Amino acid sequence: DGGITQSPKYLFRKEGQNVTLSCEQNLNHDAMYWYRQDPGQGLRLIYYSQIVNDFQKGDIAEGYSVSREKKESFPLTVTSAQKNPTAFYLCASSIGIRTPETQYFGPGTRLLVL
Amino acid sequence: AQSVTQPDIHITVSEGASLELRCNYSYGATPYLFWYVQSPGQGLQLLLKYFSGDTLVQGIKGFEAEFKRSQSSFNLRKPSVHWSDAAEYFCAVGPWNSGNTPLVFGKGTRLSVIA
Repeated sequence: DGGITQSPKYLFRKEGQNVTLSCEQNLNHDAMYWYRQDPGQGLRLIYYSQIVNDFQKGDIAEGYSVSREKKESFPLTVTSAQKNPTAFYLCASSIGIRTPETQYFGPGTRLLVL
Repeated sequence: AQSVTQPDIHITVSEGASLELRCNYSYGATPYLFWYVQSPGQGLQLLLKYFSGDTLVQGIKGFEAEFKRSQSSFNLRKPSVHWSDAAEYFCAVGPWNSGNTPLVFGKGTRLSVIA
């Protein structure tokens, strides 16, 4: 089945530790996105990528990093510089970004700080 | 700045009652509009979208939405709510121009359904 997978479903981070959230899609989409979701805040864009080896900062990129070495993969690293990382993280993809393409979402990863 | 507003943070309706969730946007040209639904602990699922043409669009699960340019609105409706409709609903708009801009999401409306 085509879709977006995110792993793990739950992730625990210790103070000062970097952690990486995985996002993989087999939809052959060019564009991929990372959002952070906090209660009452809706979805806030962290990073997005329109094509392999290219990505742009979103509204809340500080404390996060990404890479896009393969079309199907867009991992997000939550660094120790992110002081409040506890949140639900959603990955999405779309065919492209220049046209009004629908974004499709993965099931999410919940990050908790120990 | 461009924005999407969902005025209602939380709505409670009785099962079988009608539903309308409000969405207003701020944008200088014809937007592209989406409604997504999210069950607790899950990702977002597309309910419906408007790109052009008929301003009344039908979606999945019996939902519909109407684009009203004069009111900058794209309200979501359902004539008879089922208990399984309890979830969070997000309105989204995009892209803003010919450039490369991701969707902008509202903060969501949480729907509770009571017997």
